[in-house]
Amino acid sequence: GQSLEQPSEVTAVEGAIVQINCTYQTSGFYGLSWYQQHDGGAPTFLSYNGLDGLEETGRFSSFLSRSDSYGYLLLQELQMKDSASYFCAAKNYGGSQGNLIFGKGTKLSVKP
Amino acid sequence: DGGITQSPKYLFRKEGQNVTLSCEQNLNHDAMYWYRQDPGQGLRLIYYSQIVNDFQKGDIAEGYSVSREKKESFPLTVTSAQKNPTAFYLCASSRPTVGNTEAFFGQGTRLTVV
Repeated sequence: GQSLEQPSEVTAVEGAIVQINCTYQTSGFYGLSWYQQHDGGAPTFLSYNGLDGLEETGRFSSFLSRSDSYGYLLLQELQMKDSASYFCAAKNYGGSQGNLIFGKGTKLSVKP
Repeated sequence: DGGITQSPKYLFRKEGQNVTLSCEQNLNHDAMYWYRQDPGQGLRLIYYSQIVNDFQKGDIAEGYSVSREKKESFPLTVTSAQKNPTAFYLCASSRPTVGNTEAFFGQGTRLTVV
């Protein structure tokens, strides 16, 4: 089967750094994406890693290691508005051509 | 402005009734998806379509049906066979490229069975 595993909850304080990990098992893997979702809202795209290594976008960075089937999202200088759920996602080009699957999400709570 | 629109935002259904959720996009995307999200849960794939007149079942397709007669539209019907339909439904679209999986989501439809 195909799956993405991530922690269910993470808590951190304002100004800190937090890392959200994602391990995946999927055939035909091409890359890992990350999405943010605030309560009651729609998910919005944050980043994509098609190659191994680190991608940086402002306060957010994302990392991928294909050999370890592992990636993470790094959030720096945490702000209260970063409190949300974060999902890793992958598109599968194996038996189910072209589907886009998500992990169960990590709920990040940022405390003052 | 380009985007993806879901309607209605809130929907109430009596048990035993079918109901159709609308999803329209003007992003010229070939790929479209329907997800179900339960409280505190992730996104579970119901159906997806990579091209007009073709669609595939996702992980939880039972009790749902879709059509893809136009590129812009991918309506989802929740049938009476779906035993627990109360949930938040999200529609998304993306370019069907091998690489970047950036998907754009609608604002969702919250379905409640009464």
